[in-house]
Amino acid sequence: QKEVEQDPGPLSVPEGAIVSLNCTYSNSAFQYFMWYRQYSRKGPELLMYTYSSGNKEDGRFTAQVDKSSKYISLFIRDSQPSDSATYLCAAPYDAGGTSYGKLTFGQGTILTVHP
Amino acid sequence: GAVVSQHPSWVICKSGTSVKIECRSLDFQATTMFWYRQFPKQSLMLMATSNEGSKATYEQGVEKDKFLINHASLTLSTLTVTSAHPEDSSFYICSAPVRGGIGAFFGQGTRLTVV
Repeated sequence: QKEVEQDPGPLSVPEGAIVSLNCTYSNSAFQYFMWYRQYSRKGPELLMYTYSSGNKEDGRFTAQVDKSSKYISLFIRDSQPSDSATYLCAAPYDAGGTSYGKLTFGQGTILTVHP
Repeated sequence: GAVVSQHPSWVICKSGTSVKIECRSLDFQATTMFWYRQFPKQSLMLMATSNEGSKATYEQGVEKDKFLINHASLTLSTLTVTSAHPEDSSFYICSAPVRGGIGAFFGQGTRLTVV
């Protein structure tokens, strides 16, 4: 079982919709989580990160962690066609460790926002 | 922000030949870099950790003699796919950790096609 699981979708929504992207994790030792966005044939770019006990908002994006159910979410408000990409949740490869750049990823959710 | 540059962005090679992929940190020093592999519509899988001035650390199942990693300077790590075969065709991505922060910066990726 992968430590971070993500529904690959694909997910297709109309412009302006609220998008909910979700992952589950199995290791309660994870201290923080990240969301990355990956455009086709490009490397991932960090959108935001949250610690295992908090929520975070950044513009149209909100990241949420539910420790009790080991569930992490990314919400996108007022979605735009430019948001069309693959969204990857990630956690530290060594849960609880200090190697912050070594990551384990979910499978990624392919999102399409159509005009 | 910090940039990680990867070169080439795509390469086609004949079966049996070797291919070198470069990963550079452009405006910061990276004593550690990571190499990932991504198959179409799948997630990033960590292959190895590249350590400046010492041997790379490979993940289980990754052939160290096939995927040679060299980290000769604080700004450059290279991945050489030796005696490439069609099953080595994939998207290879490098990253460097965010110093003092969370997550990593990723290169643009290299699409390798072995024919």
